[in-house]
Amino acid sequence: GESVGLHLPTLSVQEGDNSIINCAYSNSASDYFIWYKQESGKGPQFIIDIRSNMDKRQGQRVTVLLNKTVKHLSLQIAATQPGDSAVYFCAEGDSSYKLIFGSGTRLLVRP
Amino acid sequence: DTGVSQNPRHKITKRGQNVTFRCDPISEHNRLYWYRQTLGQGPEFLTYFQNEAQLEKSRLLSDRFSAERPKGSFSTLEIQRTEQGDSAMYLCASSLGGDIRVASGNTIYFGEGSWLTVV
Repeated sequence: GESVGLHLPTLSVQEGDNSIINCAYSNSASDYFIWYKQESGKGPQFIIDIRSNMDKRQGQRVTVLLNKTVKHLSLQIAATQPGDSAVYFCAEGDSSYKLIFGSGTRLLVRP
Repeated sequence: DTGVSQNPRHKITKRGQNVTFRCDPISEHNRLYWYRQTLGQGPEFLTYFQNEAQLEKSRLLSDRFSAERPKGSFSTLEIQRTEQGDSAMYLCASSLGGDIRVASGNTIYFGEGSWLTVV
């Protein structure tokens, strides 16, 4: 079936460096993509979203890039901080209003 | 706290017992969702409501699962005759009634989840 997958299960970065988390999706009908951050024992926290009519969107310290040609999504975190340590999920959606999540990437920030 | 509220946060139950989880969405959010998440996996869609109407149910939602949203505000998720495979975190989320693809205000916001352990 359709799925959202992630290339790397764990990403370790030095504090202050930029982080890039990648995600591949397979449903060409998806036209909405969203990134969530999930800390241990907590629910997913919205970070940023992007619609298929865009290829880039920026938030506070975060940027999402969408490449529809290769069905690839990435989340860039600038100046990574210890508080950014968490599992990051990308999810895709369409007119059905439900989101399909990948299995997540764990981001570890080294002091 | 004006976010999505779920309770209980943790529940341990014996196999075969029934459990019920409650979700209070963000006020004015017409749409309410239930997801299930197991360790190391992303959340999986279970069902969603538009006001009090349950509009879609995943095939993951077996006959032992029932969700309600009687007045279009809070929702309950009941699991009957629990099995060990039901152990997971049950997440509730809500959004405004518009198309999630159209405007940021229609983003889906999650609660902190309800952990279920079936022993």
